[in-house]
Amino acid sequence: DAGITQSPRYKITETGRQVTLMCHQTWSHSYMFWYRQDLGHGLRLIYYSAAADITDKGEVPDGYVVSRSKTENFPLTLESATRSQTSVYFCASLAGNTEAFFGQGTRLTVV
Amino acid sequence: QKEVEQNSGPLSVPEGAIASLNCTYSDRVSQSFFWYRQYSGKSPELIMSIYSNGDKEDGRFTAQLNKASQYVSLLIRDSQPSDSATYLCAVNGGNQFYFGTGTSLTVIP
Repeated sequence: DAGITQSPRYKITETGRQVTLMCHQTWSHSYMFWYRQDLGHGLRLIYYSAAADITDKGEVPDGYVVSRSKTENFPLTLESATRSQTSVYFCASLAGNTEAFFGQGTRLTVV
Repeated sequence: QKEVEQNSGPLSVPEGAIASLNCTYSDRVSQSFFWYRQYSGKSPELIMSIYSNGDKEDGRFTAQLNKASQYVSLLIRDSQPSDSATYLCAVNGGNQFYFGTGTSLTVIP
């Protein structure tokens, strides 16, 4: 299927566990982004990537790790999940200076 | 840190009225501006983009950009109950996409 897909859609994990959220896009867009969305905060940029093997921090990177070995994949890892990381996570991709396209989101609950 | 500010709302308008949503941004080098609509539990979807000063109209939606004032707005004419959603202003500067906190709009039948 063309587009951008995230998995899983829902995840419950325990405090201290490592969890990886997956993001896959089929357009070969150069730029990819990870956001978290919390009530009252809107969408906050966690990490972004300009191309394979190029990543950079956004506004709220602490506690997260990303990698981008292939253009189409941009996984986000929570190394040791905390309750404050309970959120909805959105992946997005961007071609040039145009709009960003979003995945369906992953609702993560850390208990 | 680049900032995008929106009037927090919530905003309620009667059906058929004009809804006005506002956004200011802090980064003068920002080049592209977008309005996204997000229904509860869904991902954001693009409704308008604007790149140059002035107005851009698309159906019932009009985006207005004033780069000197660092201001972008969205007008929704003939508001419908289906327009009830959260509207996010986004700014693309240096290929980083920054969003405002969103304005919740309710259109009352």
